[in-house]
Amino acid sequence: QSVLTQPPSVSGAPGQRVTISCTGSSSNIGAGYDVHWYQQLPGTAPKLLIYGNSNRPSGVPDRFSGSKSGTSASLAITGLQAEDEADYYCQSYDSSLSGSRVFGTGTKVTVL
Amino acid sequence: EVQLVESGGGLVKPGGSLRLSCAASGFTFSSYSMNWVRQAPGKGLEWVSSISSSSSYIYYADSVKGRFTISRDNAKNSLYLQMNSLRAEDTAVYYCARDGRKHITVTLNWFDPWGQGTLVTVSS
Repeated sequence: QSVLTQPPSVSGAPGQRVTISCTGSSSNIGAGYDVHWYQQLPGTAPKLLIYGNSNRPSGVPDRFSGSKSGTSASLAITGLQAEDEADYYCQSYDSSLSGSRVFGTGTKVTVL
Repeated sequence: EVQLVESGGGLVKPGGSLRLSCAASGFTFSSYSMNWVRQAPGKGLEWVSSISSSSSYIYYADSVKGRFTISRDNAKNSLYLQMNSLRAEDTAVYYCARDGRKHITVTLNWFDPWGQGTLVTVSS
């Protein structure tokens, strides 16, 4: 069971801005652990999108941005494009179990 | 090019065993912690297990502890997952994933890159 909660779906028209929230607790995001984000296109493996709360790997467009505050984090996609239609997952560390990485419940982004 | 290629998936009966392998190339395998992450059909991602670069530290999710064993062979650039006492709820695509950066604690690290995954189906 996921300990990080995301909205099941968000949608927007091409060119619009959408945000995905990732809500945790005092044993994960609220404890100061970094949040990372992954994009999973249909039928493919997940791909790193944001690491360390707000850092983009090389090759990831600057339309994607991440932030963190308190027990939550957010992923923003500006200038939404058709190829952004995918599932998005946040990930962090949870101190309640040694070595435990945790994922969010996942959000399906639909481009209208 | 950094590459991870999983193999060993298939159909197995409940209570059976299976051994997954992950062949790594394009980076110094012995310098990175490695991980297994799974995804049940139509469901989200679930971290399964992690192993440090020298196998000194090993972690498991509660859902697989006592049934799965992670291991690695740095001489062969390979990661393994021995799965015993398999259950229907273990049915998933299993991904091999490298820690994103070496020499960083597990509390800060991320998964990058990922392999293409191998499907494990547990059914009678």
